Amino acid sequence: DGGITQSPKYLFRKEGQNVTLSCEQNLNHDAMYWYRQDPGQGLRLIYYSQIVNDFQKGDIAEGYSVSREKKESFPLTVTSAQKNPTAFYLCASSIRRLSEAFFGQGTRLTVV
Amino acid sequence: EDQVTQSPEALRLQEGESSSLNCSYTVSGLRGLFWYRQDPGKGPEFLFTLYSAGEEKEKERLKATLTKKESFLHITAPKPEDSATYLCAVDGNTGKLIFGQGTTLQVKP
Repeated sequence: DGGITQSPKYLFRKEGQNVTLSCEQNLNHDAMYWYRQDPGQGLRLIYYSQIVNDFQKGDIAEGYSVSREKKESFPLTVTSAQKNPTAFYLCASSIRRLSEAFFGQGTRLTVV
Repeated sequence: EDQVTQSPEALRLQEGESSSLNCSYTVSGLRGLFWYRQDPGKGPEFLFTLYSAGEEKEKERLKATLTKKESFLHITAPKPEDSATYLCAVDGNTGKLIFGQGTTLQVKP
């Protein structure tokens, strides 16, 4: 089945540690996105990529980093510089711009 | 700056009581407007795409409409299984998909 897979579903991290969230899609989509969702707030864009080896900062990129070495994969690293990393992280992909985005099931990150 | 505002934040309906959710947007050039449904603890599920004013799309009890300044998601005779958070997003000239805060709908039997 085609789809977009995020792992792990739940992640716990100690303060001061970097952590990488995985996002893989087998839909042959060019564009991929990372969003953060906090309670009572909409989705806020962290990074997006419209093609392999290229990505742009979204509205809240500080403390995060990404790579896009393969079309299928768009991992997100939450660094120790991110001041409030506890949140629900969502990855999405779309075949191209102006087409609907499909979302993964999310990773809930908790800093302990 | 592109902006999306959804209202109301929360809506409680009795089963069968029709209503509408609003999505107001400000973008430099609308390329597309998207509606999603999100269940608790899950990723959003795509519902509709609208590209130009006057366009309408329907799916079961849901109907989405678009004007130059806003979009409405009309829910006709809702059922408890329609309870969810409904998200609106726009794609403007920036190439980014910008989301509103969402409307949380609760339908009571």
